[in-house]
Amino acid sequence: DVKVTQSSRYLVKRTGEKVFLECVQDMDHENMFWYRQDPGLGLRLIYFSYDVKMKEKGDIPEGYSVSREKKERFSLILESASTNQTSMYLCASIAAERGGYDTQYFGPGTRLTVL
Amino acid sequence: AQTVTQSQPEMSVQEAETVTLSCTYDTSESDYYLFWYKQPPSRQMILVIRQEAYKQQNATENRFSVNFQKAAKSFSLKISDSQLGDAAMYFCAYRSAGGSEKLVFGKGTKLTVNP
Repeated sequence: DVKVTQSSRYLVKRTGEKVFLECVQDMDHENMFWYRQDPGLGLRLIYFSYDVKMKEKGDIPEGYSVSREKKERFSLILESASTNQTSMYLCASIAAERGGYDTQYFGPGTRLTVL
Repeated sequence: AQTVTQSQPEMSVQEAETVTLSCTYDTSESDYYLFWYKQPPSRQMILVIRQEAYKQQNATENRFSVNFQKAAKSFSLKISDSQLGDAAMYFCAYRSAGGSEKLVFGKGTKLTVNP
């Protein structure tokens, strides 16, 4: 069965802390994504990666960075957490284009609170 | 850039009744995919149904069906015989057929099912 896991369901950090959110998928997917989900705003793409060590900015990359050293793992980094980064963070993965309409598979989410 | 609009922030339905969630999108592309995702409270986002733009026939998955109107750029979700377990946030999403596997999401519709 397809599985995307995230390191924490709930996380509380203080302003200025460096925060790591980890995502692991076991489907050998090339593409991985980090989204931020806020009420009334839906899901917004922060960064995505289409291969190891490759990354591209999404719609709201400011204040975030990412790392993909291994195919199965995609990390989201908040270099200096701020209160406006309090949110739900969702990771997703999908295989590279196969000419079909495969879906993205989502992790359970990490609810981050920055105090 | 593509946009997805869900005009109903919240909807409610009586158990066993039928409800339709609206979604419109804007694109200049002719080939693309459309998706409806469900996010139950505190649970993982899962795919409900998907549609290929070049297929005129509306997709169906058991009690879930879509009304895809390509010319009107409309992609509504109909849930028949609503069940308590259908209560969730529903997101409409768009993906281009070529190139990136990025999804563009609407802001979501919160569906409440009343017993």
